[in-house]
Amino acid sequence: DTAVSQTPKYLVTQMGNDKSIKCEQNLGHDTMYWYKQDSKKFLKIMFSYNNKELIINETVPNRFSPKSPDKAHLNLHINSLELGDSAVYFCASSLSGGTDEQFFGPGTRLTVL
Amino acid sequence: AQKVTQAQTEISVVEKEDVTLDCVYETRDTTYYLFWYKQPPSGELVFLIRRNSFDEQNEISGRYSWNFQKSTSSFNFTITASQVVDSAVYFCARPSGGYNKLIFGAGTRLAVHP
Repeated sequence: DTAVSQTPKYLVTQMGNDKSIKCEQNLGHDTMYWYKQDSKKFLKIMFSYNNKELIINETVPNRFSPKSPDKAHLNLHINSLELGDSAVYFCASSLSGGTDEQFFGPGTRLTVL
Repeated sequence: AQKVTQAQTEISVVEKEDVTLDCVYETRDTTYYLFWYKQPPSGELVFLIRRNSFDEQNEISGRYSWNFQKSTSSFNFTITASQVVDSAVYFCARPSGGYNKLIFGAGTRLAVHP
C-alpha cells in the first residue's frame, strides 16, 4: 500500500508550458507539504497545508500554485515553466502540524527544456 | 532560520567499517525535535528517526545508532559494520517556525564499497 503517492514520476516539458503534479496520501494525515530538491540535493520547503488551509508559503514565485481539494490531496500547478524550475519535487504528509515525522512521496523529476 | 549543518559532503568507506555522520544544529528553543532521513540512489526519502530534546539517551536500532549531545548541539548518526546497501545521501533536519516546516542540512553522501 502506497502511503504518499505522486504522479507523474517524470515530467519533461518545454519552457513556458504549464504543468501539474498530483499528490495523494492515504495515511489520514492532516498536514501536507511540497518540497523542492535541486541538482545539488538541497531540500527546501515550498508550501504546507493543514486541513486544506495554506499555512506556509515559503517565498515561492506566484507561478507556483498549490491546491488542496481535500485533506488527502495536495496538487502543485506551475505556470510558465522556466529552466530553473528543473528539480525533483517531493510531496510529504504528517499527522498534524508541529513536530510529527513527515512521510515523503517518491518524488517527481521535472525537466524543463 | 535556525540552521542545520552537515559539514561532511561525502564519505567513502569500505564495507564493514563503522562510519559517523555529523549533524550540528542551531536552536533558540528549549524544546525541539531532530530528524534523520535517508535518500538511497532510487531517490525516495526514508524517515529514520525523530528525537526530542528532552531525551538525550542514545538511540540504537540494529546497526544504526544516534548520539544526541545538547551541550554541543549535535545529533550524530553512526552506522556500525556498514554495508553496500547503506550507500545513500543522509539528511539531518529539524522543524522550524512552529509550523513543522523541516529545515534540512545539505546532506552527506555515503558511499560504501565492497
